[in-house]
Amino acid sequence: DVKVTQSSRYLVKRTGEKVFLECVQDMDHENMFWYRQDPGLGLRLIYFSYDVKMKEKGDIPEGYSVSREKKERFSLILESASTNQTSMYLCASGGPRYYGYTFGSGTRLTVV
Amino acid sequence: GENVEQHPSTLSVQEGDSAVIKCTYSDSASNYFPWYKQELGKGPQLIIDIRSNVGEKKDQRIAVTLNKTAKHFSLHITETQPEDSAVYFCAAYYEKLTFGTGTRLTIIP
Repeated sequence: DVKVTQSSRYLVKRTGEKVFLECVQDMDHENMFWYRQDPGLGLRLIYFSYDVKMKEKGDIPEGYSVSREKKERFSLILESASTNQTSMYLCASGGPRYYGYTFGSGTRLTVV
Repeated sequence: GENVEQHPSTLSVQEGDSAVIKCTYSDSASNYFPWYKQELGKGPQLIIDIRSNVGEKKDQRIAVTLNKTAKHFSLHITETQPEDSAVYFCAAYYEKLTFGTGTRLTIIP
């Protein structure tokens, strides 16, 4: 089974801090994604990547950036954390387009 | 871009009864429609999917139907069990996945 591992289950950060959320997948998938999950809003796409060094903005990229230096690792960066970025963050990876994504267990980030 | 609407947002069903969750999408180019189940403390997990050239697909107690003309697709769970309690998300795919807002399904013993 594909495994998508997110480095932290829970994080508490202060406003203005630079925050790194790490995601690693072990099935050599080309595609990786970062979503944010909020009650009543579902899953919203922040950034995605179809290849190493490649990144594309999703629906809500403001305040975030990403890094994909290696195929298996996709990092989400909050340059200056704000309280409205308190949320559940989900990483996913996927193979060919008609196959569903595999999600990690999520990182619940609280910005105080 | 694509917009996916999902209803209802919450659903309570007696154990053994059926549950139906409905979604609509806006982009007629969408061609793949997966459903995910998210249990407490876990990430969403793919449970069933359907491609645009198929009208219905079934896997044991779970079935999905697709009406491309109306841009509707639905998840049907029969003979519900307590372990079916979870949040369910529909999604539509064209170049990327767009998710619905989720349905919290509670099975009442």
